[in-house]
Amino acid sequence: GQQLNQSPQSMFIQEGEDVSMNCTSSSIFNTWLWYKQDPGEGPVLLIALYKAGELTSNGRLTAQFGITRKDSFLNISASIPSDVGIYFCAGQNSGAGSYQLTFGKGTKLSVIP
Amino acid sequence: NAGVMQNPRHLVRRRGQEARLRCSPMKGHSHVYWYRQLPEEGLKFMVYLQKENIIDESGMQKERFSAEFPKEGPSILRIQQVVRGDSAAYFCASSPGAGFFQPQHFGDGTRLSIL
Repeated sequence: GQQLNQSPQSMFIQEGEDVSMNCTSSSIFNTWLWYKQDPGEGPVLLIALYKAGELTSNGRLTAQFGITRKDSFLNISASIPSDVGIYFCAGQNSGAGSYQLTFGKGTKLSVIP
Repeated sequence: NAGVMQNPRHLVRRRGQEARLRCSPMKGHSHVYWYRQLPEEGLKFMVYLQKENIIDESGMQKERFSAEFPKEGPSILRIQQVVRGDSAAYFCASSPGAGFFQPQHFGDGTRLSIL
């Protein structure tokens, strides 16, 4: 089945620093999504990408849909303590009959004040 | 709260019992998805339903797991004869439709513990 490799697995950064994480797939997706999950809660949608090469921002977050359709990255600028959590990428093949999301294993972000 | 509602938030069962997990989608959403998450892992797809129809159950072990989304009421994920390996967080997501520009929004999950 399809697998997503997400890296890094975890990272510790100083408040104010920029963060970059990425996700690669063994196969093509036509939609990429990024979610954030806090302990004890469900994933919250951050950014959705629908077109190869697309670059989309949501406040301090910026994500890109790779040209090959097999990768995506998420950047967080000027990190703050509330950015702490686990960030998941997810790929989807909309229009293929099912719309299941395939998730990476997550990047655990810790921000040091 | 107009979000996806799941209950119970925590459920404890003994081996061999049945577990029933409920999910009410966001208002206006008619597509429901169930996922399972083990500690330190990403979510794994189980089943996709529309009102009164199962569209894709390729991620679900059918011997003990079943799901429904009736015309009225919440979607139900049922696990029969639970085993220790069923301990996990189960998340429901909903979307207004299928296809592009219809992202899935998640509830806060049901944490199932099997004694």
